Amino acid sequence: EAGVAQSPRYKIIEKRQSVAFWCNPISGHATLYWYQQILGQGPKLLIQFQNNGVVDDSQLPKDRFSAERLKGVDSTLKIQPAKLEDSAVYLCASSSQTRSTDTQYFGPGTRLTVL
Amino acid sequence: KQEVTQIPAALSVPEGENLVLNCSFTDSAIYNLQWFRQDPGKGLTSLLLIQSSQREQTSGRLNASLDKSSGRSTLYIAASQPGDSATYLCAATGANNLFFGTGTRLTVIP
Repeated sequence: EAGVAQSPRYKIIEKRQSVAFWCNPISGHATLYWYQQILGQGPKLLIQFQNNGVVDDSQLPKDRFSAERLKGVDSTLKIQPAKLEDSAVYLCASSSQTRSTDTQYFGPGTRLTVL
Repeated sequence: KQEVTQIPAALSVPEGENLVLNCSFTDSAIYNLQWFRQDPGKGLTSLLLIQSSQREQTSGRLNASLDKSSGRSTLYIAASQPGDSATYLCAATGANNLFFGTGTRLTVIP
């Protein structure tokens, strides 16, 4: 069974530029999560989708971050414009059910560096 | 808001030693407690999941315990190996969210 795929693996941009990350969850998984992991910290949930609807985006900085999950499969996370403090690893995870109690499977992450 | 703390932040042990990683959480109203492993440049791998009604879970050389009343969980690793070197994260599961600790970076010295 293929795991969660993410691209790109690494991205370096200058502040005020835009960037987009892509995630392909495990086939058949209804729920998709985006996490932000700043160096030395644990992952923090940014947004949770169930199919193509948003379940929780309370910690998403909506003035600069946006995410979508068209057709309930792949998802993209965008930052526009980026700030220095956005430097982090962005992790995508998926699970077969909607409850956070179910096992989440994580992708390898995208490491973003904002200069 | 749930806060999860892991102590120590880093740990180095010689190969073959048994070791314990600690995790504490402030809100005991959790659904479960999970332990993850994170290798450099890779995502998280789930190691053990303890339901709120359980006291412990075991998988191979790993044993995780949960004491909800005191807000604590421990991960015990027996007979450590260099391949166990990684960052270990615990996460307390709430109604709609996982709250992660900051992790313990483990180095097992051959």
